Amino acid sequence: NAGVTQTPKFQVLKTGQSMTLQCAQDMNHNSMYWYRQDPGMGLRLIYYSASEGTTDKGEVPNGYNVSRLNKREFSLRLESAAPSQTSVYFCASSELNYYSNQPQHFGDGTRLSIL
Amino acid sequence: SQQGEEDPQALSIQEGENATMNCSYKTSINNLQWYRQNSGRGLVHLILIRSNEREKHSGRLRVTLDTSKKSSSLLITASRAADTASYFCATDEGTGNQFYFGTGTSLTVIP
Repeated sequence: NAGVTQTPKFQVLKTGQSMTLQCAQDMNHNSMYWYRQDPGMGLRLIYYSASEGTTDKGEVPNGYNVSRLNKREFSLRLESAAPSQTSVYFCASSELNYYSNQPQHFGDGTRLSIL
Repeated sequence: SQQGEEDPQALSIQEGENATMNCSYKTSINNLQWYRQNSGRGLVHLILIRSNEREKHSGRLRVTLDTSKKSSSLLITASRAADTASYFCATDEGTGNQFYFGTGTSLTVIP
């Protein structure tokens, strides 16, 4: 079972470039999430999608957009990359989002460097 | 806002010893989860404890929750080199729709 698949695994961008991080899950989960992980900061929620057709802002949404393409796929877009967005990005999914009583399943991350 | 704070930030022990790490949080919660992250990998869910539970076990893992102190602890007994990883707690601040992760404890188990 693939679980949560993220592409690409590594990416280097120049300031001002745009790119889309892709995420797909094969567990038929309703909820999907995008996090960023920075040294000493833990994981911070960027956006989430509680169910197909809905998206909501998390803790650090500025500079990002998301699309819940269908139940399986949730993409994260950087319209104009900035060095402050250098980070490791994780996608996660869970069966339900209600009262967070479901474990989240994570992909292995996209390591993004912006020069 | 960062909800959970793990303590200590780093922990180094010998194989076979027990490892204890703590998590403190700021507001009321519905439940608290612990995750493990191996180097270069995503997080893996370990255990969930609900706000009305005080202790939970899963294999060599023991989690306690003290809602009056807004704290939780994760005990790994008889540690193995394979337990080397970072451990994170995550809470929902009672909202039910967002997770807040702590900064993690880096555990090194020396063979």
